Amino acid sequence: DAGVTQSPTHLIKTRGQQVTLRCSPKSGHDTVSWYQQALGQGPQFIFQYYEEEERQRGNFPDRFSGHQFPNYSSELNVNALLLGDSALYLCASSLRQGLSTNEKLFFGSGTQLSVL
Amino acid sequence: GNSVTQMEGPVTLSEEAFLTINCTYTATGYPSLFWYVQYPGEGLQLLLKATKADDKGSNKGFEATYRKETTSFHLEKGSVQVSDSAVYFCALPMGNTPLVFGKGTRLSVIA
Repeated sequence: DAGVTQSPTHLIKTRGQQVTLRCSPKSGHDTVSWYQQALGQGPQFIFQYYEEEERQRGNFPDRFSGHQFPNYSSELNVNALLLGDSALYLCASSLRQGLSTNEKLFFGSGTQLSVL
Repeated sequence: GNSVTQMEGPVTLSEEAFLTINCTYTATGYPSLFWYVQYPGEGLQLLLKATKADDKGSNKGFEATYRKETTSFHLEKGSVQVSDSAVYFCALPMGNTPLVFGKGTRLSVIA
């Protein structure tokens, strides 16, 4: 049973560019949440997708957008990259089922984004 | 909104030492409380949870008790191993949104 998989594992971009990160949820899960983890900090919630729609959003600008596909996989897009966007981006999946949706999170290993 | 505050790291211990990592929280109501662990190069993994006051979560020798009176959920282990070296995060849900995490405490265990 594959867990949460993310690609790529590492990425280097320059300021002003755009980036797309990908996530495949754990088998049987239908909800995907994205987090940003800056160096030495805890993960910060970006947004959550269910039924191909953004359901919840954290305090992130519109440069951060996402998508969920019919097979539940998801993409995170960041436009007009800033140096401060350098971080580990984590995808977490869960099954939408009452409290479990936001509590039983399974995380991928993340994509390390470096903006130069 | 809900939030957690963890003790600053890093924490360096010798093998078989006793571990305590402090976590206090601010919350509306009595949400479930969690400890997650992040090993080098990996994503976060659920270590343990407690769903109500006075509950004790435990896993892999780690324990944490949900203390309503002191709004705390301190992580403890009686005898740490080198393999416990990782970053530990205290977390709780905030309303309908997914988990809110503390800043993390890095633990290094030396042989």
